[in-house]
Amino acid sequence: GDSVTQMEGPVTLSEEAFLTINCTYTATGYPSLFWYVQYPGEGLQLLLKATKADDKGSNKGFEATYRKETTSFHLEKGSVQVSDSAVYFCALSDPGGSYIPTFGRGTSLIVHP
Amino acid sequence: GAVVSQHPSWVICKSGTSVKIECRSLDFQATTMFWYRQFPKQSLMLMATSNEGSKATYEQGVEKDKFLINHASLTLSTLTVTSAHPEDSSFYICSSTGVEAEAFFGQGTRLTVV
Repeated sequence: GDSVTQMEGPVTLSEEAFLTINCTYTATGYPSLFWYVQYPGEGLQLLLKATKADDKGSNKGFEATYRKETTSFHLEKGSVQVSDSAVYFCALSDPGGSYIPTFGRGTSLIVHP
Repeated sequence: GAVVSQHPSWVICKSGTSVKIECRSLDFQATTMFWYRQFPKQSLMLMATSNEGSKATYEQGVEKDKFLINHASLTLSTLTVTSAHPEDSSFYICSSTGVEAEAFFGQGTRLTVV
C-alpha cells in the first residue's frame, strides 16, 4: 500500500536558519503530495501541495518540489522564524483512487530566537 | 479553502458518560468525512471513514460500538464516544477532502475523561 516516510524530529534551529524536512513516499498510482502544519493545540492546516511530477508547491516562504524520480517531496524554507515552530506532516492522496490520505509521522520543528 | 468547523474544541467528562463531537462543513458539501485520533507527539490514526447516508467504515481495531459515527447530512458528521474511559482521552480530528484530494481539517477536540 501507499506510505509516507519523513525524518524524525524534533528539528531544532535558530531563527533565520535554513530548514529542510525530508519526505519520501511509495505509491501505486499517481498521487498528489501535500505538506500540512499543526500548531500547538490546533488541527492541521494545508501548507502547500503539488499535484504532478516536477510541480513546486509554495506558501509562506516554504517550498517543496514533487520529484517522481526520487519519490520525494522535501520541505524547505530559507529563513525560519520562531512562529514557524509547529509539527509538519507530509502526506499523499490519490485523486483517482480512494481519496483516503496517507500521512507521515510528523516532524516537530522548534525555532529558537 | 473549504472550512470544516469542529466542536467542542475541548471537553472534560466523567468516566462512563458519552460525548458527542460535531464536524460541519461550512461552505461545501462533505460527502466523505474522515475521523482521526492523535496521541501526544504521534501521527494521525485514521479511525473511520463516514459517507453521507451510509454506515461508516471503521479501521481495524477501532470499536464501532464505542465510537459511533453518524453522517446524516452533507454538512454534518458526528462522533460519539460512548461510555468513555480515561484511555479514550485523546485529540480527535475530523477532515474532508477537496477536488484535488487536499484535506480540510477541523480544529480538533481535546477529550479528557476523568
